[in-house]
Amino acid sequence: AQSVSQHNHHVILSEAASLELGCNYSYGGTVNLFWYVQYPGQHLQLLLKYFSGDPLVKGIKGFEAEFIKSKFSFNLRKPSVQWSDTAEYFCAVNDAGKSTFGDGTTLTVKP
Amino acid sequence: EAQVTQNPRYLITVTGKKLTVTCSQNMNHEYMSWYRQDPGLGLRQIYYSMNVEVTDKGDVPEGYKVSRKEKRNFPLILESPSPNQTSLYFCASSLLNRNSNQPQHFGDGTRLSIL
Repeated sequence: AQSVSQHNHHVILSEAASLELGCNYSYGGTVNLFWYVQYPGQHLQLLLKYFSGDPLVKGIKGFEAEFIKSKFSFNLRKPSVQWSDTAEYFCAVNDAGKSTFGDGTTLTVKP
Repeated sequence: EAQVTQNPRYLITVTGKKLTVTCSQNMNHEYMSWYRQDPGLGLRQIYYSMNVEVTDKGDVPEGYKVSRKEKRNFPLILESPSPNQTSLYFCASSLLNRNSNQPQHFGDGTRLSIL
């Protein structure tokens, strides 16, 4: 069975600080990894995805993530956060229709 | 506009009264899925469908039913709702390819309260 673990439940940063959110997955098959963002009161939106190729993937709004196979990790990064990045972030793995999401990380950016 | 539409957006009802939450997508996606979102638990998959007449259980299917008679619609049915099904529900859809690597498009959510 696949599982996803997000280590940080709540992160508070000041604007311009750098961000790294941890995500570890447990799955032995072909890995399709995603990061989604949920702004307050809205539905989830895709930030970025990885399924093959360059392990460093770039997404929208300056976000990027690095897939490290040996560590079963897919951490999300952003060099300089903005107040508008305040949201909940979910890491997810998908295989043949079965989707597993992490518990989510709430990011609060202070102006 | 490409979208996933859920109805109703909010519903308060009582234990045991059957209800259906509809989900419709206009993107001709093969794959559709239902999730519930609870504080501290993230999103948990209830059921998913890879195509018309094909449905499979997710991680928390108990107390729910689904059907996929048409490609665009994937209703979620609670035959006898109970208070522990009070939650925020999301429907999602995506294209389907051999590698299951297509991102999902989510609806705006349905907040259900079962009294």
